Amino acid sequence: SQKIEQNSEALNIQEGKTATLTCNYTNYSPAYLQWYRQDPGRGPVFLLLIRENEKEKRKERLKVTFDTTLKQSLFHITASQPADSATYLCALPSSGGSYIPTFGRGTSLIVHP
Amino acid sequence: DVKVTQSSRYLVKRTGEKVFLECVQDMDHENMFWYRQDPGLGLRLIYFSYDVKMKEKGDIPEGYSVSREKKERFSLILESASTNQTSMYLCASSLPLGLTNQPQHFGDGTRLSIL
Repeated sequence: SQKIEQNSEALNIQEGKTATLTCNYTNYSPAYLQWYRQDPGRGPVFLLLIRENEKEKRKERLKVTFDTTLKQSLFHITASQPADSATYLCALPSSGGSYIPTFGRGTSLIVHP
Repeated sequence: DVKVTQSSRYLVKRTGEKVFLECVQDMDHENMFWYRQDPGLGLRLIYFSYDVKMKEKGDIPEGYSVSREKKERFSLILESASTNQTSMYLCASSLPLGLTNQPQHFGDGTRLSIL
């Protein structure tokens, strides 16, 4: 069955640096991959989607890459700010044909001023 | 903006009670979903619905049922609440899924405690 892995350890960085979060998957070749942000006590909020034929996608300070050979997506936040502190989830459409997203467990990002 | 509203942010119930969690979306979305989220386990799909009166089991449906009588409303029912159902419950909605890769829109969750 498909498996999604995100680093369970929190990522601590200094304000102004680039944060890089990783999403690895196995046993699957998804047509696209999504990234969500979740703040404490709130529901996830959709950020970006990248398709299998796209190597890179950008939105303001966010950049996502998708390497289908490595089965990996990287999520970058440039010039990070304390307000970027949150948990970031990657999601892939299920392999069973329903396309319902299966979510990774998320990585917590903490940006220190 | 899509708005998904869950009826309660916090709820405390007793073991054995029948519990109703309500979710309403205002964007005429066909799909609605119920998840639970637990530390270390992430988001797990309980049930989803792709149309009125239609429902499909997710990964962990045991102990739960759902109702979708109107397009905008999707209810999660705990038939006889147990302590292992203490969790954060999240409702989501979306347009039809598939290669059009529609994102999900989530409510802010109901933190349910079963005593």
